[in-house]
Amino acid sequence: QQQVKQSPQSLIVQKGGISIINCAYENTAFDYFPWYQQFPGKGPALLIAIRPDVSEKKEGRFTISFNKSAKQFSLHIMDSQPGDSATYFCAARVAWGNQFYFGTGTSLTVIP
Amino acid sequence: DVKVTQSSRYLVKRTGEKVFLECVQDMDHENMFWYRQDPGLGLRLIYFSYDVKMKEKGDIPEGYSVSREKKERFSLILESASTNQTSMYLCASIGRPDTEAFFGQGTRLTVV
Repeated sequence: QQQVKQSPQSLIVQKGGISIINCAYENTAFDYFPWYQQFPGKGPALLIAIRPDVSEKKEGRFTISFNKSAKQFSLHIMDSQPGDSATYFCAARVAWGNQFYFGTGTSLTVIP
Repeated sequence: DVKVTQSSRYLVKRTGEKVFLECVQDMDHENMFWYRQDPGLGLRLIYFSYDVKMKEKGDIPEGYSVSREKKERFSLILESASTNQTSMYLCASIGRPDTEAFFGQGTRLTVV
């Protein structure tokens, strides 16, 4: 059973456009929601993360929007660049837990 | 800077062989994890360990075993490799609870 559901599976965006990836969860014990970015041939690396006490977090061109009541969170990439082409994973973890639950990943391609 | 190092980037093994995948982390982390990554399925947890000589099954442990004799090293063992174990294998580590996961660069295993 997938604890974190992610969509879309793949996404193609023009350079300069906005990329949006969505995730949903059911477990209300989740307390930490990171996004990981993975380039081909590399392991995932933390991109940005949010806790449920805030509705939005922004770091440069990357923004997480969090809707606690709907149990959904999303990653927005503004002014998408070809260098953003990668696979993105959302994840969730219970408070003070040691196990992450990952979404199925989104392959983003930004075309020039 | 945390480093999680997997011993091989690419491996090709024959069906029935015993395969060892090694992972070493240099930050004294208690928790270590093995995932396999397949297109459309995301990251699936095989086994994890929260202490030396301790191990817990993840979501897909069948056909795999693990060993953690030292805190910094977590090994994944395929007792008798099969073609359906062809995949990307990722090792990760987490320090104290409530911190992020750090991934190795991955091992792409092909079983022929």
